[in-house]
Amino acid sequence: EAGVTQSPTHLIKTRGQQATLRCSPISGHTSVYWYQQALGLGLQFLLWYDEGEERNRGNFPPRFSGRQFPNYSSELNVNALELEDSALYLCASSLVGTGSSYEQYFGPGTRLTVT
Amino acid sequence: GQQVMQIPQYQHVQEGEDFTTYCNSSTTLSNIQWYKQRPGGHPVFLIQLVKSGEVKKQKRLTFQFGEAKKNSSLHITATQTTDVGTYFCAGPSSGDKLTFGTGTRLAVRP
Repeated sequence: EAGVTQSPTHLIKTRGQQATLRCSPISGHTSVYWYQQALGLGLQFLLWYDEGEERNRGNFPPRFSGRQFPNYSSELNVNALELEDSALYLCASSLVGTGSSYEQYFGPGTRLTVT
Repeated sequence: GQQVMQIPQYQHVQEGEDFTTYCNSSTTLSNIQWYKQRPGGHPVFLIQLVKSGEVKKQKRLTFQFGEAKKNSSLHITATQTTDVGTYFCAGPSSGDKLTFGTGTRLAVRP
């Protein structure tokens, strides 16, 4: 069974640009979660999508947005990039839509560097 | 909002020594999950605890959920170099999302 996949592995952008990160969940998983992990720090919850709808979002500005497609894959968009957006962005998926009751399977992450 | 703190932030042990990380929530949790993130890797689910006072073991790892369901611990007996990484606890918070703890980074001297 293939795990959660993310692309690209690395992304380098300049301040003010937009970044698009992609995630494909494990087959059969309908929920996708996005987290930001700044270097050496913990995981900060960004967004949760289930069945194509946004279920919850973390304490991040509106320039962080995303969507989930009919095949349950997901996209995270970050507009007007700032230097402090540099981080590892992790995507996770779970089997059912109750975000906190089931284990989450993480992808390898996308390392975003903003210069 | 809910806070999930872990102590210590960092621990360096000699191989063979025991290790414990503690997780404390500001609110009562319906369940708690534990994840391990190896250096340069991504978090991997270890276990979920649901019942008050629950204790679960996985080989050298012992997980405990507090009676009040506001704290949890992970104890590793006789650490090995393969135990190196950051251990995160995680619990449900508002809107049914998972809030991760601050993490404990474990280093093991061979």
